[in-house]
Amino acid sequence: SAVISQKPSRDICQRGTSLTIQCQVDSQVTMMFWYRQQPGQSLTLIATANQGSEATYESGFVIDKFPISRPNLTFSTLTVSNMSPEDSSIYLCSVVRESNEQFFGPGTRLTVL
Amino acid sequence: AQRVTQPEKLLSVFKGAPVELKCNYSYSGSPELFWYVQYSRQRLQLLLRHISRESIKGFTADLNKGETSFHLKKPFAQEEDSAMYYCALTGGGYQKVTFGTGTKLQVIP
Repeated sequence: SAVISQKPSRDICQRGTSLTIQCQVDSQVTMMFWYRQQPGQSLTLIATANQGSEATYESGFVIDKFPISRPNLTFSTLTVSNMSPEDSSIYLCSVVRESNEQFFGPGTRLTVL
Repeated sequence: AQRVTQPEKLLSVFKGAPVELKCNYSYSGSPELFWYVQYSRQRLQLLLRHISRESIKGFTADLNKGETSFHLKKPFAQEEDSAMYYCALTGGGYQKVTFGTGTKLQVIP
């Protein structure tokens, strides 16, 4: 299994500001994923973060809006930039093990006023 | 493109009744299918995967390649089964996982 922690667990932010979410894993992993789960909806993959290279973004998500860092094999950050109320969501990081099972962090609940 | 469809947003059953949560998928190769569950105030976690062919908490799911389905079943629902259930698909090999829209299972006492 994998133990994943996220900071902050929740935040309330003003429109136009930015928030950086941290994800820490208890062991080294090759790939980390960032998802968004909007109220009443499923998980949508934002990007895949590989250590030592640029993140790979899914359709509809861009680096300027969601910059990602992956400085080492146990840590990643996702920044939600220039926030608007539409960015209110739960943001989740996850990792994949050799078994292809995904392990999820507890999520960061973001509310943008 | 890979796609997962869960046609029911909400499924309400009485305690002791059988449960079937539907999942259909679209994928050009050989997929790996999963069911994830999210109990109230808990994080998303794996329930079962088709390659394991195991029963977890009384739930089973069979991959039907002809019908491209991976329905989740349990013969007798329990109150503690109430949760959000997500069907998911991956092409394997650390590829991204695509999730369905989820079905909320509500077991009525």
